Amino acid sequence: NAGVMQNPRHLVRRRGQEARLRCSPMKGHSHVYWYRQLPEEGLKFMVYLQKENIIDESGMPKERFSAEFPKEGPSILRIQQVVRGDSAAYFCASSPLIQSGSTEAFFGQGTRLTVV
Amino acid sequence: KNEVEQSPQNLTAQEGEFITINCSYSVGISALHWLQQHPGGGIVSLFMLSSGKKKHGRLIATINIQEKHSSLHITASHPRDSAVYICAVRRGGADGLTFGKGTHLIIQP
Repeated sequence: NAGVMQNPRHLVRRRGQEARLRCSPMKGHSHVYWYRQLPEEGLKFMVYLQKENIIDESGMPKERFSAEFPKEGPSILRIQQVVRGDSAAYFCASSPLIQSGSTEAFFGQGTRLTVV
Repeated sequence: KNEVEQSPQNLTAQEGEFITINCSYSVGISALHWLQQHPGGGIVSLFMLSSGKKKHGRLIATINIQEKHSSLHITASHPRDSAVYICAVRRGGADGLTFGKGTHLIIQP
């Protein structure tokens, strides 16, 4: 049972280009979370998705950022017209559907985005 | 004030020492997580706690819900324990995590 898979591991984009980050959750997991880790800063929540639904996007920048988790295929975090300040590590985590209590956190290896 | 505060920010110790990292939070939670991150590496979940105490090998995690405080202990520390240890809380059962800034731990041989 493969873990949470993120690709690419490293991504270099020029200012103004688009960045697409992919996350395949663990088998059987229906919840996907995206987090961002800026250089020398802590991790910050961006968005929480279930299949075909955005549940909480309170941590997403208002412009240029979008996320989806289609019925088939990986979750995608898309950053349009990237700027240097977007350079960061982006982590995806997945969890199974829970009926009560709280859910475990299973993280991917992250995508390191560098904007030049 | 951050919702999740960790101390210390940095910790250097000698191999074999007993290590304690503290985490305080200011909101109601459904669970608290301790995570480990090596430089340039991914994030590994060490513990999820909603009450009491858990132990995995040389690692022990405790939580006091009334005091909104958790500790991570490492017994017989080893250089391979050198990493950033991150405390994170989840408010609702499936909400996103809120993180502390992390504790940079270096264990010297």
